[in-house]
Amino acid sequence: SAVISQKPSRDICQRGTSLTIQCQVDSQVTMMFWYRQQPGQSLTLIATANQGSEATYESGFVIDKFPISRPNLTFSTLTVSNMSPEDSSIYLCSVGIEGTTEAFFGQGTRLTVV
Amino acid sequence: RKEVEQDPGPFNVPEGATVAFNCTYSNSASQSFFWYRQDCRKEPKLLMSVYSSGNEDGRFTAQLNRASQYISLLIRDSKLSDSATYLCAVNRGSSASKIIFGSGTRLSIRP
Repeated sequence: SAVISQKPSRDICQRGTSLTIQCQVDSQVTMMFWYRQQPGQSLTLIATANQGSEATYESGFVIDKFPISRPNLTFSTLTVSNMSPEDSSIYLCSVGIEGTTEAFFGQGTRLTVV
Repeated sequence: RKEVEQDPGPFNVPEGATVAFNCTYSNSASQSFFWYRQDCRKEPKLLMSVYSSGNEDGRFTAQLNRASQYISLLIRDSKLSDSATYLCAVNRGSSASKIIFGSGTRLSIRP
């Protein structure tokens, strides 16, 4: 497995502002992903964070709203831009490790937009 | 149609009962199947991977039916500590680790 650290663990933000969430892994991983979990809902895949290139977004998610960076094999950021109360969710980073197919998750970032 | 469909429950059963969860998936190219457990305000944790031959881990049994694109999880002799949300998860085609989740089934075990 891998140790995945997400920062911040929670935040309360004003609408119209942006928040950048960081995901740090303790080892090099092949795949990194970002998920959103809205209140009372399951996890929805936002995008695959590609190392050194633009992220691959799922239907319904766009780069202008959720810009993602992945400068190396152990680190990624997700920015939630121009936030509204509807963006209040838990945002989770997950990683895939060579030789395995399951995903491992960070502890999540609980975002509240007021 | 959703990629992964799951009965959201909630299931409320007495301690010691046997409970079964079902899940269907739409992508016939999926190769990997999982059950995750999520406790309140926590991240999902892998409970079991699901193999074609079926697999058992203590009180938990998972089965896969590729022809029907159906996954199940059976919990025997349920404990209070089994109360959680159980998420069915399937990888997106051949993309390892790109996992799509079902809506989750909430389970409450009562004394």
